[in-house]
Amino acid sequence: GAGVSQSPRYKVAKRGQDVALRCDPISGHVSLFWYQQALGQGPEFLTYFQNEAQLDKSGLPSDRFFAERPEGSVSTLKIQRTQQEDSAVYLCASSPLAGGPDTQYFGPGTRLTVL
Amino acid sequence: GDSVTQMEGPVTLSEEAFLTINCTYTATGYPSLFWYVQYPGEGLQLLLKATKADDKGSNKGFEATYRKETTSFHLEKGSVQVSDSAVYFCALSDRNTGFQKLVFGTGTRLLVSP
Repeated sequence: GAGVSQSPRYKVAKRGQDVALRCDPISGHVSLFWYQQALGQGPEFLTYFQNEAQLDKSGLPSDRFFAERPEGSVSTLKIQRTQQEDSAVYLCASSPLAGGPDTQYFGPGTRLTVL
Repeated sequence: GDSVTQMEGPVTLSEEAFLTINCTYTATGYPSLFWYVQYPGEGLQLLLKATKADDKGSNKGFEATYRKETTSFHLEKGSVQVSDSAVYFCALSDRNTGFQKLVFGTGTRLLVSP
């Protein structure tokens, strides 16, 4: 079946613009994660959803970052008033169950460049 | 907080050479440990995992053993191929956080030449 998909794959924004990044998880997966990967670094956790509930948003770097998953499937990560330090690859991952050391299946990422 | 430390790359090897990529971790609880791989132009994929001490994860000729006494999870392969060229990430998830998030190392780039 289809894997995790993300769109757009590339996004260029001017500083101060708002952006929205979309994630389509594997169908039926309960858990959904967002990570931020700066150049040359490992991914860093942003937020976690179990179905439509956002259970952990401890990694969101500021109140300019907002994520939602209203129907427990597709998720959107929104960044308001983008700054240059927001430039990174944003990764979405899903896993079939809630909790437990499950495998997370990653999408290809959205590369955001803020000019 | 939890953290993962990996050896810096790039690691440059000739085909059929032995590979070791070191990984050590710090965790407040009893973590599960993972190796993820990112091939050029592709997303992160799970390579192998181990969920308790002394477990050995293995896949595609790669192996790693969960060593609680040394807090390590080193990745090894006996004979690398050109197609193994990729970036390898060590990661953990901790039951103290309900296993809900992965904590990654910075990644190690492996370059294998013919």
